[in-house]
Amino acid sequence: NAGVTQTPKFQVLKTGQSMTLQCAQDMNHEYMSWYRQDPGMGLRLIHYSVGAGITDQGEVPNGYNVSRSTTEDFPLRLLSAAPSQTSVYFCASSYPGLAGGIENEQFFGPGTRLTVL
Amino acid sequence: LAKTTQPISMDSYEGQEVNITCSHNNIATNDYITWYQQFPSQGPRFIIQGYKTKVTNEVASLFIPADRKSSTLSLPRVSLSDTAVYYCLVGDLGGGSGYSTLTFGKGTMLLVSP
Repeated sequence: NAGVTQTPKFQVLKTGQSMTLQCAQDMNHEYMSWYRQDPGMGLRLIHYSVGAGITDQGEVPNGYNVSRSTTEDFPLRLLSAAPSQTSVYFCASSYPGLAGGIENEQFFGPGTRLTVL
Repeated sequence: LAKTTQPISMDSYEGQEVNITCSHNNIATNDYITWYQQFPSQGPRFIIQGYKTKVTNEVASLFIPADRKSSTLSLPRVSLSDTAVYYCLVGDLGGGSGYSTLTFGKGTMLLVSP
């Protein structure tokens, strides 16, 4: 299994540009989520999905859109990039409920480092 | 969600045992305690999880007192490769929508020196 994959690894945008961060998982996990991590801030939840066709907002959703048309993919869209969105973005997936005795263990991708000029 | 408090940073030397304590005074009955580890430029990785008493796996031990208002992650005989940020998360993993909306705080930066 490849686990959780994210593309691209690095991206530089100009203010106002749009782009989509890709996230895919091959573990058949129902739950997927997007976090951003800023220096000294820990991880903050942007959006999450509990299954195909179902998404919801997290702690910092403004400026981001998501959709979940398949179990495997959960893209994150920046409609009009702003310098405040410069961050490292992590996608994660998890199996709902107990799996191997562990509740909702989240598996994270390698991250996308985004810079908005 | 239960608020957690953990030290911002800790220093240790190779071969020592490291104990990182997390306070969660308002932990609820359904809450689990979960620890994640994050290396630089990588996503967090699950280490250990517990509900009460002691849990041990091949990587760490988790001690939870009877009142569950705190927990201690114990890393035996650390090495340089254990240098990382360690996050303590506490919450009802089911949540209202069945999804865990646990919050990753700032974590504890553990620096292991030779």
